[in-house]
Amino acid sequence: EADIYQTPRYLVIGTGKKITLECSQTMGHDKMYWYQQDPGMELHLIHYSYGVNSTEKGDLSSESTVSRIRTEHFPLTLESARPSHTSQYLCASSESGQGSTDTQYFGPGTRLTVL
Amino acid sequence: KNQVEQSPQSLIILEGKNCTLQCNYTVSPFSNLRWYKQDTGRGPVSLTIMTFSENTKSNGRYTATLDADTKQSSLHITASQLSDSASYICVVSDRGSTLGRLYFGRGTQLTVWP
Repeated sequence: EADIYQTPRYLVIGTGKKITLECSQTMGHDKMYWYQQDPGMELHLIHYSYGVNSTEKGDLSSESTVSRIRTEHFPLTLESARPSHTSQYLCASSESGQGSTDTQYFGPGTRLTVL
Repeated sequence: KNQVEQSPQSLIILEGKNCTLQCNYTVSPFSNLRWYKQDTGRGPVSLTIMTFSENTKSNGRYTATLDADTKQSSLHITASQLSDSASYICVVSDRGSTLGRLYFGRGTQLTVWP
């Protein structure tokens, strides 16, 4: 079982609200990722980080933002939620360095519903 | 275009039976291929990882094969159990960038009936 946690697990919120999805890992991994996944569809990378103070946008354009102030913490924020943001958000981390398989360990996900 | 295609999209089998899931990819340059298991409402969990030189790898009742020439992989599940019901996702890494970009298939939804 991977030591990566996401809160909340489920969130139902109204349009226009600001929300922050939390992700933390206790494995000391430098790399962290946020994915968006709709039912029956593949995971899409929306943000990633190589380490503290490093954040990059992924392949899928997203209105969300992320921050990486501490190694273990990688929160995702939506300033103004819209129904189109309804999805499952998965956080992952992987170790870096020579000899690493770069296997990503996933959190349980946050199921977001915007009404 | 780098892609990962999985088949079948969904599969129903009886408990105790075997099954094989397929993955075809066009990702290049190829670095490795992983199979993940994703239970409903949970994050994916890695089952196997295979590099270019590996043809087969087992993890308990799960056996993955890789043919890098034809760019095909399969995941064979032996003596299925109810707990095997999940989505199985094929993921290919290209190492074409420093990120080691991952390409995800849409998964095969496996249901095991008693």
